Amino acid sequence: KNEVEQSPQNLTAQEGEFITINCSYSVGISALHWLQQHPGGGIVSLFMLSSGKKKHGRLIATINIQEKHSSLHITASHPRDSAVYICAVRSYRGSQGNLIFGKGTKLSVKP
Amino acid sequence: NAGVTQTPKFQVLKTGQSMTLQCAQDMNHEYMSWYRQDPGMGLRLIHYSVGAGITDQGEVPNGYNVSRSTTEDFPLRLLSAAPSQTSVYFCASSYSWVGTNYEQYFGPGTRLTVT
Repeated sequence: KNEVEQSPQNLTAQEGEFITINCSYSVGISALHWLQQHPGGGIVSLFMLSSGKKKHGRLIATINIQEKHSSLHITASHPRDSAVYICAVRSYRGSQGNLIFGKGTKLSVKP
Repeated sequence: NAGVTQTPKFQVLKTGQSMTLQCAQDMNHEYMSWYRQDPGMGLRLIHYSVGAGITDQGEVPNGYNVSRSTTEDFPLRLLSAAPSQTSVYFCASSYSWVGTNYEQYFGPGTRLTVT
């Protein structure tokens, strides 16, 4: 079983819809990252969180440490939000600083 | 700042050839790492470094070598390319790796094909 699981794998939405992407993990972590990978391939960091909730514009990330679960929400989705969203955790297991990645959720927002 | 840069962007190799993927960052980051990304799989760690002169293996190190002679540069060497090394390679860096967590910065990636 993968240590970081994302759902759904693929998601198609209409412009304006509210979107939720989920991430569950099975290891102890010090932080969780949400990353965005655009069709061109580049990866950018959206959020890094270890508790609670963070908000940047239309993006909201939450984490529940007790339940080992995080969600990424996109409000008022737009076609430019189309990308692969990747959850990664920084685990206490093994070497410090290394991330364990989920397989990603491919989001397509139709106009 | 240029951030994290990688060269080349694309490369085609024949089986058995060797090459070096270049990675540099200008943010004075201590931690640098190399990942490979394959279809249907999450990013996997190849090698990482926590400072100049210090490197260690990640999850999939076989067939790759690294060195870190300066803070800025972290090249990845393929010793004898194999078709199984066809992948997209990302270099990443962060300010540190211990204590408070730090944001990861990724390079643009290198798409490598081994025939």
